[in-house]
Amino acid sequence: GESVGLHLPTLSVQEGDNSIINCAYSNSASDYFIWYKQESGKGPQFIIDIRSNMDKRQGQRVTVLLNKTVKHLSLQIAATQPGDSAVYFCAEKKNAGNMLTFGGGTRLMVKP
Amino acid sequence: DAGITQSPRHKVTETGTPVTLRCHQTENHRYMYWYRQDPGHGLRLIHYSYGVKDTDKGEVSDGYSVSRSKTEDFLLTLESATSSQTSVYFCAISPGLGTDTQYFGPGTRLTVL
Repeated sequence: GESVGLHLPTLSVQEGDNSIINCAYSNSASDYFIWYKQESGKGPQFIIDIRSNMDKRQGQRVTVLLNKTVKHLSLQIAATQPGDSAVYFCAEKKNAGNMLTFGGGTRLMVKP
Repeated sequence: DAGITQSPRHKVTETGTPVTLRCHQTENHRYMYWYRQDPGHGLRLIHYSYGVKDTDKGEVSDGYSVSRSKTEDFLLTLESATSSQTSVYFCAISPGLGTDTQYFGPGTRLTVL
């Protein structure tokens, strides 16, 4: 079936470097995408979202890029900090309905 | 956690017993969701509600029922708990009205022995 997936299960970066977390999706009908951060023992925390009529959206230290041609979504974190260490996962919403389909997650580890 | 509380936060129960988890929100959001999170499966939707007394099934609804008698509360019931229902359960809310963002609660860790 159609699903949202991630290329890398674990990403290790040096503090201060930029991080890029990738996500592939297969449903061309999806019109909304969202990134979450989940720290150990906590619920997923909203980071940033983007609609399919956009290619890029920026937040505070984070940028989401959407490439609809190759069905690829990425989350860029600038100047990664130890507090960014967590599991990140993407989700997509099909054009109709109000349900999200989640990917499996990527663990980001920040080395001091 | 966006005005969302879940209770209990931790529960250990035995196979065959009924269990009810509660999600309470103070945001007056229209949509409420129940997910389970398991290693290797990510977040999977169990049931959701799009208004008071309006609910629908998600991806993994077998063995679960829900009720929403008022806007702020969404209950998830396991009529007869099984070991396969050991998981972390998350509630989420969304305002609707063109906003698709879902905000999650802190989770309930359920262990079925």
